[in-house]
Amino acid sequence: NAGVMQNPRHLVRRRGQEARLRCSPMKGHSHVYWYRQLPEEGLKFMVYLQKENIIDESGMPKERFSAEFPKEGPSILRIQQVVRGDSAAYFCASSDGRGAPEAFFGQGTRLTVV
Amino acid sequence: GQNIDQPTEMTATEGAIVQINCTYQTSGFNGLFWYQQHAGEAPTFLSYNVLDGLEEKGRFSSFLSRSKGYSYLLLKELQMKDSASYLCAVTLRRGSQGNLIFGKGTKLSVKP
Repeated sequence: NAGVMQNPRHLVRRRGQEARLRCSPMKGHSHVYWYRQLPEEGLKFMVYLQKENIIDESGMPKERFSAEFPKEGPSILRIQQVVRGDSAAYFCASSDGRGAPEAFFGQGTRLTVV
Repeated sequence: GQNIDQPTEMTATEGAIVQINCTYQTSGFNGLFWYQQHAGEAPTFLSYNVLDGLEEKGRFSSFLSRSKGYSYLLLKELQMKDSASYLCAVTLRRGSQGNLIFGKGTKLSVKP
């Protein structure tokens, strides 16, 4: 029973390039959450998606950032025209939206902007 | 605003007991979570409290007082592998298990 899978684990981008981060939720989970973790900071909620719908994007910057969770395939967090301040660990979590209280996290993608 | 406070670092000895405190002031409340995160790894779920009182699970226990906006995580019989960051998080809405407000985490170092 595979857990939450994120890829790539490490991503290096030059300033101005695009970064695409992928997240495959646990089997049977249809709710996906993206978080950003800066060094020495806590995890910050960015966006919550269910299949094909964005439920809450209150934590996502209005510019350059977008997220999707298509009917088929993984959830994608896209960052356009990356800047040095985007360097961080990006974590994805998934849940079943029903009985179990907890969400399960993937191992994260560490984005470095050079 | 939303605020969750926990100590930045703690040190304890192998075999001992340690208590990690967390206080919160949030606009709503539908449960408090504790996660463990080893350096460079995914946060892993430890406990969930929504009602006042103590929840025990093996060497780990978690306590909640909603009236005081306070929780603690108790780790007994500490092992070296317990060296990690412990994250306190609150969810505001029911059915939104992954939409969490996290504290900055408490880095626990277990010494021999």
